[in-house]
Amino acid sequence: AQTVTQSQPEMSVQEAETVTLSCTYDTSENNYYLFWYKQPPSRQMILVIRQEAYKQQNATENRFSVNFQKAAKSFSLKISDSQLGDTAMYFCALLSGTYKYIFGTGTRLKVLA
Amino acid sequence: DAGVTQSPTHLIKTRGQHVTLRCSPISGHKSVSWYQQVLGQGPQFIFQYYEKEERGRGNFPDRFSARQFPNYSSELNVNALLLGDSALYLCASSLDLHQDSNQPQHFGDGTRLSIL
Repeated sequence: AQTVTQSQPEMSVQEAETVTLSCTYDTSENNYYLFWYKQPPSRQMILVIRQEAYKQQNATENRFSVNFQKAAKSFSLKISDSQLGDTAMYFCALLSGTYKYIFGTGTRLKVLA
Repeated sequence: DAGVTQSPTHLIKTRGQHVTLRCSPISGHKSVSWYQQVLGQGPQFIFQYYEKEERGRGNFPDRFSARQFPNYSSELNVNALLLGDSALYLCASSLDLHQDSNQPQHFGDGTRLSIL
């Protein structure tokens, strides 16, 4: 079975500081993709960053970067220079072998002024 | 370009009724997926359609059905509504089949369904 686990239901960070959100996953596939999605109160799921499992280099997108540890099946998201607009639910998602995304339960991030 | 559009944005139904939710994918996208997101949880996969054929189905009862039209828009139908069907229903589109591409899904704003 494929699973995605986010063990931090809620986190907070001061504006301009750095925060790391954790995600672990399980899959028996060798070829898969991992994603972080952001869901603000407006409800729309917005892609933050994605990582192909066959790439050893960690993905980065401006202030967002991941720490992908394939052997440990860990995929954490680091947000640098946090901004008030980063306040949202963050979901880790796995896509492997089938046509569906498996989402974690989410981490609610609050950026404090 | 317009993103994924869903209608209606909000809907209130009573137990036992049926409901139809609609989704228009991004222009050029051939794959549409449906997800159910219960409050406080991550989205759960319901269906994926590609080129008007069902390509994947999640662990949902037969009360849930869907279809995709020649213009790639899609409908999700739920019969005999239960209180537990109250959720945000998200539609997502992508260019291709997920398995064959690293194209990410693009999500709509969802339909908030409340069952009384």
